[in-house]
Amino acid sequence: GAGVSQSPRYKVAKRGQDVALRCDPISGHVSLFWYQQALGQGPEFLTYFQNEAQLDKSGLPSDRFFAERPEGSVSTLKIQRTQQEDSAVYLCASSLASPHSGNTIYFGEGSWLTVV
Amino acid sequence: SQELEQSPQSLIVQEGKNLTINCTSSKTLYGLYWYKQKYGEGLIFLMMLQKGGEEKSHEKITAKLDEKKQQSSLHITASQPSHAGIYLCGAGGSNYKLTFGKGTLLTVNP
Repeated sequence: GAGVSQSPRYKVAKRGQDVALRCDPISGHVSLFWYQQALGQGPEFLTYFQNEAQLDKSGLPSDRFFAERPEGSVSTLKIQRTQQEDSAVYLCASSLASPHSGNTIYFGEGSWLTVV
Repeated sequence: SQELEQSPQSLIVQEGKNLTINCTSSKTLYGLYWYKQKYGEGLIFLMMLQKGGEEKSHEKITAKLDEKKQQSSLHITASQPSHAGIYLCGAGGSNYKLTFGKGTLLTVNP
């Protein structure tokens, strides 16, 4: 597709359930990011990949959060034993190269997670 | 860490009116991104500014970055209902991370 694609768009999980959120970046984009956006707030950085390498995971809230991008394209954000505070929109973004050089960062439509 | 403050938090205007949204940074901005978001959806890229004094326009939206690179403004001319949404500014600091403001909710009444 032409843009960043995320699935599922909406997910309701019972507390304690594991969830997996998928991101298909724009073809050829080297950099991939995950952000978490709580209601009424701006997105907050979770993790960054350059190709298959996870260069920064400092924003992951706890060890229940895990992200991977094994072949340098599709990425999965996994949340284990979900808690109510995990309810948020999870946004994936990609850019052609490193944003240092002023490359535009494109966002997907997000996966809206509700933990009940 | 870098913090971005957006003002106003929300704005209601009549269709056809002009409006301005501001974004102020606690540190020098190396790159300033403007995005638009519909409630519960993703971010649509509007513009990116990097140089002090830079100004960019797209259709009826103009974004500026001040000379000191600590403040940006987004100006909409002759607003339309299609402009309604949440406007977010994001700062690309000296690394790859974007820090976002809390957003400005724009309502345009027909």
